[in-house]
Amino acid sequence: EDQVTQSPEALRLQEGESSSLNCSYTVSGLRGLFWYRQDPGKGPEFLFTLYSAGEEKEKERLKATLTKKESFLHITAPKPEDSATYLCAVPQGAQKLVFGQGTRLTINP
Amino acid sequence: NAGVTQTPKFQVLKTGQSMTLQCAQDMNHEYMSWYRQDPGMGLRLIHYSVGAGITDQGEVPNGYNVSRSTTEDFPLRLLSAAPSQTSVYFCASNDRFGDSPLHFGNGTRLTVT
Repeated sequence: EDQVTQSPEALRLQEGESSSLNCSYTVSGLRGLFWYRQDPGKGPEFLFTLYSAGEEKEKERLKATLTKKESFLHITAPKPEDSATYLCAVPQGAQKLVFGQGTRLTINP
Repeated sequence: NAGVTQTPKFQVLKTGQSMTLQCAQDMNHEYMSWYRQDPGMGLRLIHYSVGAGITDQGEVPNGYNVSRSTTEDFPLRLLSAAPSQTSVYFCASNDRFGDSPLHFGNGTRLTVT
């Protein structure tokens, strides 16, 4: 069965301290990998789609990369407003997204 | 830009009661879906629709009904609420599944006592 696993579960950083979040997946015939950001009490908000190994996408302090088995979300010099839960997901079959359990990121000022 | 609108934001039900969670989108998206989010379980697909009049089951459909009479609306009905249905429910839409990202509403937090 297709699976998506995110690590770590929670990550606490100081403002300006760079780090990476991991999303590993087992799915046959990857048709894209999605990253979302979710703030407390809100729905997930789309960040990136990656389609093939080696692809990279950037947005402000975030950069997402993709290999054949995992994706990384690198956060460079984070600010407190980057605190959120970050979710990754892959399509399964025709109409379903399989989500990881998320990484809860806290940036302390 | 309203996007995907869900009502109510919060609801408390007693076991056995029924209710409908409302979802509306104004982006003319064909694809709509309902997910539930539980601690430690991630987001799980309940039901989805690929267009007006067409619905199908997702991963955890038991205890829920859906219908899609218009492109804009996709209500989720709880037939006889159970404590196991305590969760946060998210509605999502997109115009072409797999090629474009899902747009989510802000959720309905449901507690069943």
